[in-house]
Amino acid sequence: SAVISQKPSRDICQRGTSLTIQCQVDSQVTMMFWYRQQPGQSLTLIATANQGSEATYESGFVIDKFPISRPNLTFSTLTVSNMSPEDSSIYLCSVVGGVGTEAFFGQGTRLTVV
Amino acid sequence: AQRVTQPEKLLSVFKGAPVELKCNYSYSGSPELFWYVQYSRQRLQLLLRHISRESIKGFTADLNKGETSFHLKKPFAQEEDSAMYYCALSGPGTYKYIFGTGTRLKVLA
Repeated sequence: SAVISQKPSRDICQRGTSLTIQCQVDSQVTMMFWYRQQPGQSLTLIATANQGSEATYESGFVIDKFPISRPNLTFSTLTVSNMSPEDSSIYLCSVVGGVGTEAFFGQGTRLTVV
Repeated sequence: AQRVTQPEKLLSVFKGAPVELKCNYSYSGSPELFWYVQYSRQRLQLLLRHISRESIKGFTADLNKGETSFHLKKPFAQEEDSAMYYCALSGPGTYKYIFGTGTRLKVLA
C-alpha cells in the first residue's frame, strides 16, 4: 500500500490568486494523478503527473490553469491558477500501486474561492 | 462515451436489511471495475474489485458484462456500513479512473 500526505487540507482563497497543493508519497511510484471533485459531482481526472516530463492533461484541463510539477518519484504539486469561485472543489492526489491497479488517495484539499 | 452511472444519490436501509447499490458502466473494451468507499472523515479507499471475486466486509459485487453492471450487495447491513460508495472503472493498462457520482448509504438503527 501507499500512504499519501496532501497539504493543505483546506484553504479559503481570494479570486485571482493561485494555490499550490502538495502531495507526498511514502514510497516511489511511477503513476501519480490529480483529481477534482466539484460539489455534488464525481471525481474527475485532471492530469497524470509524469516524472521527468510534462504532465498529461485530460480533456477540459490545461497546463496554464493547472500547472503540475513532479520533481521525483515521491512528490508532486498541483497549482490552481487565477482562481475563480468555480474552482471551489476538493482536489485529490492519487497513486496506483499495490496489487493490480488499486488506487490510493490523499485526504484531499478542500478549496473555497471567494 | 465512457461513463459510470450510479442512479441513487442516497440509499437508506434499516440495520439487518439487505443492501444493493447499483452501478452501470459504458466502456468500449474490457475495463476493470472497482468499488471505493469513503467513511466519515476518512480518505477514499478500495472496497473491492471485480477481478478478485472476493467478499470484503460482507460486500460482494458481480460483474455482468451483458447488462454492463457491477452492483454492490450485502445481505445484512450494519450501522458501520454507513458511508459514501463510489463505483469506478479503469481502462486496461491506463491506470486512469472514471468514477460514478457516488451513493451515500445510511444504515438506520
